[in-house]
Amino acid sequence: KQEVTQIPAALSVPEGENLVLNCSFTDSAIYNLQWFRQDPGKGLTSLLLIQSSQREQTSGRLNASLDKSSGRSTLYIAASQPGDSATYLCAVQGGGFKTIFGAGTRLFVKA
Amino acid sequence: DGGITQSPKYLFRKEGQNVTLSCEQNLNHDAMYWYRQDPGQGLRLIYYSQIVNDFQKGDIAEGYSVSREKKESFPLTVTSAQKNPTAFYLCASKEALANEQYFGPGTRLTVT
Repeated sequence: KQEVTQIPAALSVPEGENLVLNCSFTDSAIYNLQWFRQDPGKGLTSLLLIQSSQREQTSGRLNASLDKSSGRSTLYIAASQPGDSATYLCAVQGGGFKTIFGAGTRLFVKA
Repeated sequence: DGGITQSPKYLFRKEGQNVTLSCEQNLNHDAMYWYRQDPGQGLRLIYYSQIVNDFQKGDIAEGYSVSREKKESFPLTVTSAQKNPTAFYLCASKEALANEQYFGPGTRLTVT
């Protein structure tokens, strides 16, 4: 059974710092991995999707990497801003139509 | 303006009452999903539907029911059989062969 773990559960950093969020999964047989952002009391916004054949994806200040063999993904945020404060979730899609989500990392960027 | 709408944003009910959460999408997506989110936990799949008039149970379907009579609508009923219904409920949709799911804004249900 696929399990997705995100460490740390919460993170507080000063503005301008580069940071890395971690995601690990137990079953490497995945089709893709997706990173989402969730603001308090809101739905999820897709940030990056990495296909199983890809190693990384980039969008602006965000870079996501995928190492299927080790069951790991990282989300790198460059030059963090207070507006980046949110919860970041990773999710893996395996066989069938199910997507398994991690519990998220709550990020707070201090001005 | 395409997207997914969920209503209401907040819902309060007394224990023992059934309640229906609305999810509508105008993205012409075939597949729709219902998730439950509890504090400190990842999203858990309740039900999903890949096509009109068909739906499948997810990991935590007990105490919930759904219907998919129209492509754009996938309402979720939380029945009195659900032992702990207070949670944040999220609806999502995607194209049949696509990977990316699109999420609605969510409904926070409180049962007292």
